[in-house]
Amino acid sequence: AIWMTQSPSLLSASTGDRVTISCRMSQGISSYLAWYQQKPGKAPELLIYAASTLQSGVPSRFSGSGSGTDFTLTISCLQSEDFATYYCQQYYSFPPTFGGGTKVEIK
Amino acid sequence: QVQLVQSGAEVKKPGASVKVSCKASGYTFTSYGISWVRQAPGQGLEWMGWISAYNGNTNYAQKLQGRVTMTTDTSTSTAYMELRSLRSDDTAVYYCARYFDWLFFDYWGQGTLVTVSS
Repeated sequence: AIWMTQSPSLLSASTGDRVTISCRMSQGISSYLAWYQQKPGKAPELLIYAASTLQSGVPSRFSGSGSGTDFTLTISCLQSEDFATYYCQQYYSFPPTFGGGTKVEIK
Repeated sequence: QVQLVQSGAEVKKPGASVKVSCKASGYTFTSYGISWVRQAPGQGLEWMGWISAYNGNTNYAQKLQGRVTMTTDTSTSTAYMELRSLRSDDTAVYYCARYFDWLFFDYWGQGTLVTVSS
């Protein structure tokens, strides 16, 4: 299985900040990476797939980049509704695996 | 609009079985697959397996092999996940999620809490 290291695990930020979350793979996965947002008590929601393709309906302040082993999720201008936990997920090889999550909290 | 609606919370004793349902609507059920993902309290996401709604093919996470069965009923557009020989560490919220070709998930059910306790 492919191991994923997501960092930081906790990020304190203010509304309007630019934030970045990193996801590093134990081996190359081309661009087969997705990002999800999860709010407390709710199911995850798909933000980005294929490393950088924005899912329909997702605000453009979210962007993804990277390929191979290093990936980044960027929120360009943090809004109040963005305080949540974010997960990366690789789907290059079986089994699909998730990162450990990054909780974005209010500073 | 696409919806996945799951069955309600369950409380089971160790050693028992649980079967969770996931009713799909708003799309052609057999054109997509369904995966199941679980999340233990305060923990991250764990993929459990997938089932093709087209032909019923399945593939399960190695750690659950022999204890989990995923099925579909195309007449009602419903997917099912049965987990047997429940243990306390199976306590989690169980989600169904839709995938098309690659195993990333564009729509999710609301989750079903399964509590395993004596």
